[in-house]
Amino acid sequence: GAVVSQHPSWVICKSGTSVKIECRSLDFQATTMFWYRQFPKQSLMLMATSNEGSKATYEQGVEKDKFLINHASLTLSTLTVTSAHPEDSSFYICSAREDYLEAFFGQGTRLTVV
Amino acid sequence: GESVGLHLPTLSVQEGDNSIINCAYSNSASDYFIWYKQESGKGPQFIIDIRSNMDKRQGQRVTVLLNKTVKHLSLQIAATQPGDSAVYFCAENSGGSNYKLTFGKGTLLTVNP
Repeated sequence: GAVVSQHPSWVICKSGTSVKIECRSLDFQATTMFWYRQFPKQSLMLMATSNEGSKATYEQGVEKDKFLINHASLTLSTLTVTSAHPEDSSFYICSAREDYLEAFFGQGTRLTVV
Repeated sequence: GESVGLHLPTLSVQEGDNSIINCAYSNSASDYFIWYKQESGKGPQFIIDIRSNMDKRQGQRVTVLLNKTVKHLSLQIAATQPGDSAVYFCAENSGGSNYKLTFGKGTLLTVNP
C-alpha cells in the first residue's frame, strides 16, 4: 500500500509554545488529507479535512485558530498546535488519499505538553 | 469472552481460536465500511473493507459481514495468532465521495498463547 509519513513521532513542548506536525505522502499525490486526534483508549476523532490549495474544513468543536492546518502541496500537510496547553496532549494522526482512492494513515505523533 | 470497559470493549481469545469483533454503525446512508487494526503507539492499519452493496467479503484469514438492516458490521479472524493482538476499529464513510470516516469505539483483542 501507499506510504504516509508523519514527523515527529513524538514531541514534548512547554505550555504556551506552538508545535508543528508534518504529514507527507511518499509515493502518491494526496489530494485530500485528514487530521485526527486520539485520546488514550478512545477512538479516532476527525479534526479537519484539507484539500490541496484550499482552506481546511474543521469539524464542529475544533478551534481553527488553535489547530492551524496547511496543505500547500500535493505531498505535504502540516498541523500546528498553537499556544499548546496540557489538555492538548494527545495522539495526532493524519491520513491521506489520492482522488477517490482509499486513505492511508501515518504512524501518528504523540504530543505531550508540560 | 467479551466485556465492555470504561472506554474500550475487550475480547480475550486463545491462540488458534476464531475471533469475532462486532461493531454497530450509526448512519444508514453510509456506503463504505473499513476495519482497521491499531497497535499501541501506531497509526491504524487497513485490514479489509466492504461496500454497502455487499453483505460479505473475505480476505486472508479475515471476513467482514455487513447487516444493513440492523446497521451491524463484524470482523471474523480465523486461527487467531498472538500477532493479532491489537485494537480493532470499524469505520464508516458517511460523506460519500468526500470520504469522511467516522470511527467506532474500538475493541481490544488479546490473544493468549
